[in-house]
Amino acid sequence: EPEVTQTPSHQVTQMGQEVILRCVPISNHLYFYWYRQILGQKVEFLVSFYNNEISEKSEIFDDQFSVERPDGSNFTLKIRSTKLEDSAMYFCASRAPSDTQYFGPGTRLTVL
Amino acid sequence: AQKITQTQPGMFVQEKEAVTLDCTYDTSDQSYGLFWYKQPSSGEMIFLIYQGSYDEQNATEGRYSLNFQKARKSANLVISASQLGDSAMYFCAMREGSYGNKLVFGAGTILRVKS
Repeated sequence: EPEVTQTPSHQVTQMGQEVILRCVPISNHLYFYWYRQILGQKVEFLVSFYNNEISEKSEIFDDQFSVERPDGSNFTLKIRSTKLEDSAMYFCASRAPSDTQYFGPGTRLTVL
Repeated sequence: AQKITQTQPGMFVQEKEAVTLDCTYDTSDQSYGLFWYKQPSSGEMIFLIYQGSYDEQNATEGRYSLNFQKARKSANLVISASQLGDSAMYFCAMREGSYGNKLVFGAGTILRVKS
């Protein structure tokens, strides 16, 4: 069964460094998303992406964040200059024609 | 106002019994979708069940069923014949308006299944 994959599973970085989180959505899906979950808290929407452009973004998704679909399979989230409060689990999701969003296993980002 | 409210921070259930996890939602849209996800301690988000706002029948997927009461704006998850492996965090989520829109999540309910 096709699934969303994410790399790396865990990323440790120093404050102020750039990180790129990678995702491979399910191949016939057209909508892609990034969500994050700070430890012990609810899952929060960051950004949605459709037809090679951002369709919606949250207040969290400021100028430090960007997304890209550099080729036909990868979908990336870049954080330009990480802050301590960016430490969280980041989930990529893609939407099936049935409307269900399938989530990847997540990347745990730790900013020191 | 909260879009999704899960009022039970934690629940216990005896193995092999049924359990209901509560979820109420708030929307003025006619078109919306309601989802339940399971998050085990390993952290992944596992899709369980979906109910569209226009679906007249309650959704079922194996041991999971969704008790959808549109007038009361509730979408409770029922797990029948609980198993030890059902111990996890459960999130209710809603997609409002157009298909493809973001999901908004509730705070979650931790379920513990006792043997």
